[in-house]
Amino acid sequence: NAGVTQTPKFRILKIGQSMTLQCTQDMNHNYMYWYRQDPGMGLKLIYYSVGAGITDKGEVPNGYNVSRSTTEDFPLRLELAAPSQTSVYFCASIGTGVGNTIYFGEGSWLTVV
Amino acid sequence: DAKTTQPTSMDCAEGRAANLPCNHSTISGNEYVYWYRQIHSQGPQYIIHGLKNNETNEMASLIITEDRKSSTLILPHATLRDTAVYYCIVRVANNFGNEKLTFGTGTRLTIIP
Repeated sequence: NAGVTQTPKFRILKIGQSMTLQCTQDMNHNYMYWYRQDPGMGLKLIYYSVGAGITDKGEVPNGYNVSRSTTEDFPLRLELAAPSQTSVYFCASIGTGVGNTIYFGEGSWLTVV
Repeated sequence: DAKTTQPTSMDCAEGRAANLPCNHSTISGNEYVYWYRQIHSQGPQYIIHGLKNNETNEMASLIITEDRKSSTLILPHATLRDTAVYYCIVRVANNFGNEKLTFGTGTRLTIIP
């Protein structure tokens, strides 16, 4: 049981490039989330999903896209990278049922230059 | 949506109990309060969660007021390794019955030698 796994851990992108941050969980959790955290700031919700085929926007969705074709995977896509997207990205998941623990990945450090 | 409010920062002497408050005055009856901490931009680490009764585990205690509008996380014997940002989180349901996580502002706790 690996929990929530994010890849890559570190990435440098040039302005205008695109990339996908991968997130997978092996706990059969329905709810999955993507957050970003800028230096010295709290976490902000980008997108979330309540199950395969269902996604919704969070606080800061502009510049990102997501998909949820399976329960396990919730990739985050950056289409045209901008310096403002330099941040640490965290994926999280939680099972259905009240009171379940939230599991976070270890983070993906992204720099756009 | 239920919001949480935490002090921006706190200091605590090593070996003393650290008491971290959180206000969640609009919390609904079936929403849980979670506490997480984050050390040096690592993935947030689960500490404890509760509904209405006080909870204790090997890391901390959680005291929730009877009206559930506020709670306090207690680290009974703080060590230097407890220096971190502590987040109080309430599980929120939006108008369509989907759930998304809403983070509080976080408290930067510094343990003083």
